[in-house]
Amino acid sequence: GDSVTQMEGPVTLSEEAFLTINCTYTATGYPSLFWYVQYPGEGLQLLLKATKADDKGSNKGFEATYRKETTSFHLEKGSVQVSDSAVYFCALRGLVISSGSARQLTFGSGTQLTVLP
Amino acid sequence: NAGVTQTPKFQVLKTGQSMTLQCAQDMNHNSMYWYRQDPGMGLRLIYYSASEGTTDKGEVPNGYNVSRLNKREFSLRLESAAPSQTSVYFCASSEGISGSTGKDTQYFGPGTRLTVL
Repeated sequence: GDSVTQMEGPVTLSEEAFLTINCTYTATGYPSLFWYVQYPGEGLQLLLKATKADDKGSNKGFEATYRKETTSFHLEKGSVQVSDSAVYFCALRGLVISSGSARQLTFGSGTQLTVLP
Repeated sequence: NAGVTQTPKFQVLKTGQSMTLQCAQDMNHNSMYWYRQDPGMGLRLIYYSASEGTTDKGEVPNGYNVSRLNKREFSLRLESAAPSQTSVYFCASSEGISGSTGKDTQYFGPGTRLTVL
């Protein structure tokens, strides 16, 4: 079945540091890939997504590129801020309807990011 | 628009008690989902409803039942709560299911924190 492996946390960075959170996946065909962010006490919010190979999703200074050859979707930001402190989840949505994977998101375990001033 | 709303925000139950978690969305979405979030495990799908009038099991359905009351509302019921059901529960909705480009993005509610003693 589908699976997502995400970089273990927690990750602590100083403000303006470069961020990378690794994400690799296993799935049939070409799934859609997502990054969600969860701020303390809140639900998940979609941060960015990519639906086909070599697509780059971007939002709020964050970027991730869909790499089919390495089955990866690493999240990057050039200069983090204290306000970026949150838990980040990588997720995929399969395309094969018959398997049922099309109807659900498969999440990684999440990476806690803390940015210090 | 309120997006996806959930009630209650917090709940404490004793083992064997029953309760219903409520979810509503005002985005005219067809599909709705219930997830549970446990530490170190990301989110796991409990049940989903691809469209009004249909419901299907997800990854971890045991001990739960759902009702798609109408297009807006999707409730989750615990008939006899167990300590293993202590978790944070998230409801989500999307315009459609995978295969419809751009329509499979899921929007999450703020969550219900449930403790079963």
